[in-house]
Amino acid sequence: EIVLTQSSGTLSLSPGERATLSCRASQSVSNNYLAWYQQKPGQAPRLLIYGASSRATGIPDRFGGSGSGTDFTLTISRLEPEDFAVYYCQQYGSSPRTFGQGTRLEIK
Amino acid sequence: EVQLLESGGGLVQPGGSLRLSCAASGFTFSSYAMNWVRQAPGKGLEWVSAISGSGGSTSFADSVKGRFTITRDNSKNTMYLQMNSLRAEDTAVYYCAKGTSNYYPYYYDYWGQGTLVTVSS
Repeated sequence: EIVLTQSSGTLSLSPGERATLSCRASQSVSNNYLAWYQQKPGQAPRLLIYGASSRATGIPDRFGGSGSGTDFTLTISRLEPEDFAVYYCQQYGSSPRTFGQGTRLEIK
Repeated sequence: EVQLLESGGGLVQPGGSLRLSCAASGFTFSSYAMNWVRQAPGKGLEWVSAISGSGGSTSFADSVKGRFTITRDNSKNTMYLQMNSLRAEDTAVYYCAKGTSNYYPYYYDYWGQGTLVTVSS
């Protein structure tokens, strides 16, 4: 089983700042099959990024994904108030598909 | 518009059973794999089970294998999760999630709002 570790439990930033969230895998993620989801309190997760770097439909271009192999990054170029939420990475290239433990992005 | 609506959650005693349903609309249901993902209170996301478009292929997390069964009725556009021998650690919000394909690998492009299962005496 691939274990995903999101290094920052909580990230405190201000609107307008740049956010960099990391996700490290215990072994190489097949074909960079890595997705990022955003979850707000009381809501279901929402797909942001798939294939490590492709934005999902309707996702603003301030969200960007990068990385390969075992190290992946979600970058939010300029934080908007609605971006403060919990973010999860997920690998879907190996069974069982696994999620990171999440990074909470909070307003500083 | 894709919609996924879970139902069937509630309070159940340890050792009891519950059946969750996920009613889908807005897409060709039989063409896509469907999954259940759960989230314990205040915790992260955990994949639980998956079923292929035809229903002929299923998979389970080790934590629920042998206790949970996943099925689907494509004539009703509905997926089910039969949960037996429930434990306190099964307490969670259960989400149904639509796969982006019927074939691996796929990720989840739509999620339901979830249904809460509480296992307690």
